[in-house]
Amino acid sequence: GESVGLHLPTLSVQEGDNSIINCAYSNSASDYFIWYKQESGKGPQFIIDIRSNMDKRQGQRVTVLLNKTVKHLSLQIAATQPGDSAVYFCAESAYSGGYNKLIFGAGTRLAVHP
Amino acid sequence: GAVVSQHPSRVICKSGTSVKIECRSLDFQATTMFWYRQFPKQSLMLMATSNEGSKATYEQGVEKDKFLINHASLTLSTLTVTSAHPEDSSFYICSARDKLQGGTGELFFGEGSRLTVL
Repeated sequence: GESVGLHLPTLSVQEGDNSIINCAYSNSASDYFIWYKQESGKGPQFIIDIRSNMDKRQGQRVTVLLNKTVKHLSLQIAATQPGDSAVYFCAESAYSGGYNKLIFGAGTRLAVHP
Repeated sequence: GAVVSQHPSRVICKSGTSVKIECRSLDFQATTMFWYRQFPKQSLMLMATSNEGSKATYEQGVEKDKFLINHASLTLSTLTVTSAHPEDSSFYICSARDKLQGGTGELFFGEGSRLTVL
């Protein structure tokens, strides 16, 4: 879905803890999902992706889970570090108007405290 | 990894003037590029899809005469904000997909261009 709020929700965690960031997507026809990290004043940075024929994918310290039944996506970050502090967006890719478009979710700010 | 460059990274202009933002794919060719706008503390909103050699496709609610998009080559798309007003102040971000990866390949994002209209 697309963000309509003026304030991003914030997830505060202690350094070393695991973080779970959730996202609900809107289009049941979306077949590709991506998590991005955005630091202040910069463009989005790719973290991990997953296609709709999978329900889990693991990367380095990150895991993405996809639940198509309830249209829910989550990003798990293991052993969260101060450098993980940023805004995290999920994005869904769906074919529309002749193109595969990437639509961003609302975003969650992750604050990591030492 | 693939690099997308935007220029300028920051621009300040007077109300009523036009501003051009460039988006270049540095080490790959992009048939399609996408332009996003991001207001403070909000998500990225897709504005338009830029197609090399043809007209851009605009999302609903985006004025095509105000946000002119030109995709003149496989490595360059430009966004011109015409007659800019303070409400156009925003962070503009482009992304590009390597044409060799087809329609479902990874999108590479630029670092964004912050426009401030006085």
